[in-house]
Parts: sequence; structure tokens; C-alpha cells
Amino acid sequence: EAQVTQNPRYLITVTGKKLTVTCSQNMNHEYMSWYRQDPGLGLRQIYYSMNVEVTDKGDVPEGYKVSRKEKRNFPLILESPSPNQTSLYFCASGSKPYEKLFFGSGTQLSVL
Amino acid sequence: KNQVEQSPQSLIILEGKNCTLQCNYTVSPFSNLRWYKQDTGRGPVSLTIMTFSENTKSNGRYTATLDADTKQSSLHITASQLSDSASYICVVSSALNSGSARQLTFGSGTQLTVLP
Repeated sequence: EAQVTQNPRYLITVTGKKLTVTCSQNMNHEYMSWYRQDPGLGLRQIYYSMNVEVTDKGDVPEGYKVSRKEKRNFPLILESPSPNQTSLYFCASGSKPYEKLFFGSGTQLSVL
Repeated sequence: KNQVEQSPQSLIILEGKNCTLQCNYTVSPFSNLRWYKQDTGRGPVSLTIMTFSENTKSNGRYTATLDADTKQSSLHITASQLSDSASYICVVSSALNSGSARQLTFGSGTQLTVLP
């Protein structure tokens, strides 16, 4: 089954404690991206990747890092989380950025 | 700056009724427009795509329209069901650069609630 898998589904952490949210897709997509979704603001792009070892900033990249060492995986790293990064995060993949995107189920992150 | 505005922000209807959601965009140059459905706590799922040359496209009880001249799209839901309760997100892609990924502009969504 074609899917984008994010883990964990829920995460509660404290300020400053490094964390990683994993994202994996099994569709051989070149394009992958991360979004955060906050009430009333819709989906905002954090980082994206056009292919292996190719990443670039989205609209709200501050405080986040990503890597794309393999085509299927695109982890999101928060080196020093802060409370304003409390949000619902989605990973997505697609054959091209303007083609249909497949989204993961989301990660609800709370930073205390 | 590319923008996508959706209206209404929220909508409540009774089961079995029809409704229409609106999307206005100022994305240029235009490539395509997608409607996504997002159930609470889940990732968005694509419903339909509209390209420049298409005026209307249906997917079951969902019908999307596009007016490229006025830069407006609508999503019409017929005979609504309780399972239609969700957020509907309009996403517009520009044709700026085929290699650029920074060409997707997301609307804030319309939250639809269908009551029995």
C-alpha cells in the first residue's frame, strides 16, 4: 500500500531537548516536504527536498533542520525545541512538487 | 505575493443538503489548483485537480469548478453526508519554475460540519 509514514504520532517534550520526527515513503517519490499546521493559519512549509542530498528552506524554517540521505526518508530535526514549535506536523511526498501530494498522518508535538 | 483565500472559514449544514466552498487566488503564473480534504487529526487527501483548460471536474458527489479569468474556484458538495465533515483546503501551484518546489500556495481551509 502506497503510504507516507510519520513517527511518532504524538510527542510531548521539554524546551531544549533535541528531537527527531521521522518520515518515510514507499512510492519512490523524489519530492518530500514538511509542514506545520496551526489553528487559523493553514499549512505552512518548513523545508522541502527535491531529491537525495537536495534540501531547501520553506516559509518557516527557523528552528528546524532536515536531511535527505536516502530517497525514502526525510526526518525533521528540532535541535532545541521551544514552546512556539508546539504544532501539528505533516510530512508529504510527491513525484513532483506540483503533482498530487501524499500526506502522512501527522505528528502532534507539544513543547513544554 | 501569491495568495489563496478561502471562504467561508467555517460552514455548518444539515445532512443531505448541498454546499459550495470558494477559493480565490492571486497565484501567477497559474499551473493547477487542487482541492484536498482533511479529516480531523489526519493528513490531507487530494480530491481533484483543475488545470487551466478545465472548467468543471467531478469526483463522486464533489464537483470542482475553475474560472481562470476571475481566478476563482469552487467546490460543490451534493447530498452531504456526515463523513463530509472535514476541512477542505485549496492549493494552487504556479508555473514559475518546474524545478522549484516553492510554488505551492495553500489556503487556510474551510471547516465543514455536517449535522444529522
